[in-house]
Amino acid sequence: NAGVMQNPRHLVRRRGQEARLRCSPMKGHSHVYWYRQLPEEGLKFMVYLQKENIIDESGMPKERFSAEFPKEGPSILRIQQVVRGDSAAYFCASSPWRGQGTEAFFGQGTRLTVV
Amino acid sequence: EDKVVQSPLSLVVHEGDTVTLNCSYEVTNFRSLLWYKQEKKAPTFLFMLTSSGIEKKSGRLSSILDKKELFSILNITATQTGDSAVYLCAVDTAGGTSYGKLTFGQGTILTVHP
Repeated sequence: NAGVMQNPRHLVRRRGQEARLRCSPMKGHSHVYWYRQLPEEGLKFMVYLQKENIIDESGMPKERFSAEFPKEGPSILRIQQVVRGDSAAYFCASSPWRGQGTEAFFGQGTRLTVV
Repeated sequence: EDKVVQSPLSLVVHEGDTVTLNCSYEVTNFRSLLWYKQEKKAPTFLFMLTSSGIEKKSGRLSSILDKKELFSILNITATQTGDSAVYLCAVDTAGGTSYGKLTFGQGTILTVHP
């Protein structure tokens, strides 16, 4: 059973370009969470999705950021018109069901560098 | 605003030492407290704690939660160089009927010298 798969592992974008980060949850997991880790800071919650639904996006910046988890395929975190401050490690986590006692399993992360 | 604070921020010890990492929290909704180990890649799960006073153990690692005083500790006995990592404490602060929204502390960087 493969773990949470994120790609790409490293992504370099110029200011103003779009960044698309992909996350395939563990097999059987239908809950996906995205976190961002800025340099010298802890992990910060961004968004929680189930298949075709955004459950909680309270941590998402109001502009330029969006996330989806379609019925088929990976979850996508999209950042439009990237700026230097978007440079960070973006981690995805998945869990099998929504209930107490279920830990989230993390992917290896995508390190985004905006130049 | 929900807050999770870890201490110390960094710790340097020698192999064989015992270390205690601290995590205090102040959150609106508490579902559970989790400890992760991060070694330059994916955080790997260590423990999930939901009840006060019940110690969880895995080999040389153990952890306990105090919901009255709002803190948890992670103990590592007989440390090894392979224990060198960032240890993350997180609280599941999801509201309503949701779970899995984690608020993380800033982490404790543990360095174990041979």
